[in-house]
Amino acid sequence: EDQVTQSPEALRLQEGESSSLNCSYTVSGLRGLFWYRQDPGKGPEFLFTLYSAGEEKEKERLKATLTKKESFLHITAPKPEDSATYLCADNNAGNMLTFGGGTRLMVKP
Amino acid sequence: DAGVIQSPRHEVTEMGQEVTLRCKPISGHNSLFWYRQTMMRGLELLIYFNNNVPIDDSGMPEDRFSAKMPNASFSTLKIQPSEPRDSAVYFCASSLSSGTTDTQYFGPGTRLTVL
Repeated sequence: EDQVTQSPEALRLQEGESSSLNCSYTVSGLRGLFWYRQDPGKGPEFLFTLYSAGEEKEKERLKATLTKKESFLHITAPKPEDSATYLCADNNAGNMLTFGGGTRLMVKP
Repeated sequence: DAGVIQSPRHEVTEMGQEVTLRCKPISGHNSLFWYRQTMMRGLELLIYFNNNVPIDDSGMPEDRFSAKMPNASFSTLKIQPSEPRDSAVYFCASSLSSGTTDTQYFGPGTRLTVL
């Protein structure tokens, strides 16, 4: 059974303190690894899709990387507005996504 | 461009009542997904339509749940009868199926409370 596990569950950072979020997946034949951001009371907002090991994508202070069994979301010099829950999901069959439990990020000024 | 539209945004009902949630996907998208999000179980896929046809409903919890997509612009998720354990946030998402891995875009969700 496909499983997606995210760690840590919660992360508190000071503004400017860089860190990484982890997403591990068990599926073989990965067709895509997705990262979403979710703010309280809102739907998940698409950030990145990664397709193959070694691939990297960047957007502002965020960089996502992919290995054969893990993906990392690196946050460089975060700001309070980066506070949100970050979700990852894998796609192994058709267009269906399996989501991890999320990492709740809190950035304090 | 309008994103995925869901209504109502909040629904409070009593146990045993019928609940209907509505979704309008992004214009031109041909795949539609219904998800449920709870603290305990996270975000779970309930059912997936492609070109208005249900493709996979293995996530639908039980026969009390049903979903329809009568046309490309509208879908409903119905719970009858509702139970307190159905309380959750229900999301609709849509994507343009291109033969590769498609990006799903989510609506704002409907927060359902069953008393």
